[in-house]
Amino acid sequence: NAGVTQTPKFQVLKTGQSMTLQCAQDMNHNSMYWYRQDPGMGLRLIYYSASEGTTDKGEVPNGYNVSRLNKREFSLRLESAAPSQTSVYFCASSDIWDYNQPQHFGDGTRLSIL
Amino acid sequence: QQQVKQSPQSLIVQKGGISIINCAYENTAFDYFPWYQQFPGKGPALLIAIRPDVSEKKEGRFTISFNKSAKQFSLHIMDSQPGDSATYFCAASNTDKLIFGTGTRLQVFP
Repeated sequence: NAGVTQTPKFQVLKTGQSMTLQCAQDMNHNSMYWYRQDPGMGLRLIYYSASEGTTDKGEVPNGYNVSRLNKREFSLRLESAAPSQTSVYFCASSDIWDYNQPQHFGDGTRLSIL
Repeated sequence: QQQVKQSPQSLIVQKGGISIINCAYENTAFDYFPWYQQFPGKGPALLIAIRPDVSEKKEGRFTISFNKSAKQFSLHIMDSQPGDSATYFCAASNTDKLIFGTGTRLQVFP
């Protein structure tokens, strides 16, 4: 049982390059989330998707786009990477019907932008 | 927009001691308060959670204390062990979105 799988685990980009971070979950969850984690800032929500075909902005959406490809997959795209987007990115999923249920996180993508 | 304030930023505790991490929130509509534990190189994982209709919840060595009037909640780790060394995040919610605190890095030394 894989849970939430993120690819790649590490990536180095040059400023201006584009990239898509992939996330897939096998728990049949409706809700999926993208966070970024920076030192001293905690986890900040970038985008989330309450169900297939819907997406909504979180706290820090600028510079990112997302696609909810199907119920399992939720991707995050950086169209023109900037050094300020150097961070660890986490994908998570949960069951929307009971928000007291935990969010299940992947192990993250460590992204460096030079 | 920091709606959940967490302290301290880092904490060093001797093995067998008590670790205490505090959080304060602003939005009185929050009604779910989880704590997540994160080990290096891994994603956060739910440790324990509480609803505001109780003042305390205990699971093994981990206890959440909740003070609704003060809008504060805290995590107590009794008999802290080196294996508890991790980063801890408090969070709050009243929807399917969590608002996280900034995290506390706990180090437990033998």
